Amino acid sequence: SAVISQKPSRDICQRGTSLTIQCQVDSQVTMMFWYRQQPGQSLTLIATANQGSEATYESGFVIDKFPISRPNLTFSTLTVSNMSPEDSSIYLCSVEVAVGETQYFGPGTRLLVL
Amino acid sequence: GENVEQHPSTLSVQEGDSAVIKCTYSDSASNYFPWYKQELGKGPQLIIDIRSNVGEKKDQRIAVTLNKTAKHFSLHITETQPEDSAVYFCACWGRDDKIIFGKGTRLHILP
Repeated sequence: SAVISQKPSRDICQRGTSLTIQCQVDSQVTMMFWYRQQPGQSLTLIATANQGSEATYESGFVIDKFPISRPNLTFSTLTVSNMSPEDSSIYLCSVEVAVGETQYFGPGTRLLVL
Repeated sequence: GENVEQHPSTLSVQEGDSAVIKCTYSDSASNYFPWYKQELGKGPQLIIDIRSNVGEKKDQRIAVTLNKTAKHFSLHITETQPEDSAVYFCACWGRDDKIIFGKGTRLHILP
């Protein structure tokens, strides 16, 4: 398994601003992902964070809105840019220790945009 | 692409009784089926998983069954306890190595 931490755990932000969420894993992992979970909903994959190259975004998500960094095998950041109230959600980091293996989730970052 | 249907969306069970949550999937190539439990204010936690070469797996009060022919899998929780109250998500691996989640089941354990 993997122990995953996220910062911040929650935040309240003003519209038009940006927030960067950090994800730290206690061991080197092959794959890191970012998900969004809107209130009472399931998990939606935003992108796969690739180490050393640009993230791979899912349909409906773009790099300008959700820039992602992954400088090494244990750390990634997701930025939510130019926020609006519709961005209020839980943002979750997840990892796979090896490709095709079990995916583990961080505790999430609860974002409220006013 | 892969599609996962999960039922029911809400389930209330008397404490001590059993709870069953069912999921169906569309891609016959799917070969890995995890279940996650999400408590309020926390991230999803893996509770049990099954691979397509196995029909059933059990871990104490939790069991998962898989019917590959019918393309459905189920989570069974026996002797339910208050701490079982949570949202449960089924998931499966699709052909493109992406994990697809069901919409979730909110389980209430009644005292």
